[in-house]
Amino acid sequence: DAGVIQSPRHEVTEMGQEVTLRCKPISGHDYLFWYRQTMMRGLELLIYFNNNVPIDDSGMPEDRFSAKMPNASFSTLKIQPSEPRDSAVYFCASSLRPGVNTEAFFGQGTRLTVV
Amino acid sequence: KQEVTQIPAALSVPEGENLVLNCSFTDSAIYNLQWFRQDPGKGLTSLLLIQSSQREQTSGRLNASLDKSSGRSTLYIAASQPGDSATYLCAVSNAGNQFYFGTGTSLTVIP
Repeated sequence: DAGVIQSPRHEVTEMGQEVTLRCKPISGHDYLFWYRQTMMRGLELLIYFNNNVPIDDSGMPEDRFSAKMPNASFSTLKIQPSEPRDSAVYFCASSLRPGVNTEAFFGQGTRLTVV
Repeated sequence: KQEVTQIPAALSVPEGENLVLNCSFTDSAIYNLQWFRQDPGKGLTSLLLIQSSQREQTSGRLNASLDKSSGRSTLYIAASQPGDSATYLCAVSNAGNQFYFGTGTSLTVIP
């Protein structure tokens, strides 16, 4: 398996534009997580899915953020409209179900810059 | 809410030294603890995973210990090398499979 795959690796957009980040988890993993990393706040969990169903989205900062997982092999994180304070590195991670092995595997991240 | 703290925030050591990184967490009801390495501008690479029933895990020059009752974990790096320079993050997960991260220790190994 190629690991968790995120795209794009870098995104620069203007304030007010819609941004869509994409993630392909490791095949067979039941859990998918979206994290945001900034210098000030470190790694923050935004939302996570179990078997494509959102379980906890309490970390999503505002209604401008939304996430979907239409199938087991694809998830998106959308920001609409984007703001400069959304600039950060966004990571996607996946893991197996509890009781088996909950080791988390991370993608390389998407570095988002909103100007 | 689980809070994870890592001390020190930054560490600089000469090559060859053994070193210890510390991680503490406030809620001992964890499912597992995982240590990661992050190189500048890169993603997180999993180093070691310790299940809640385990006391330690070893991989090469790395040894991680877990004391659930006191809410602490250490990552021991033996015979440090310049290639070990990176940020080291610990994360704990609860039964709901959420991972809570510390803010990391930035390690510099001086040749």
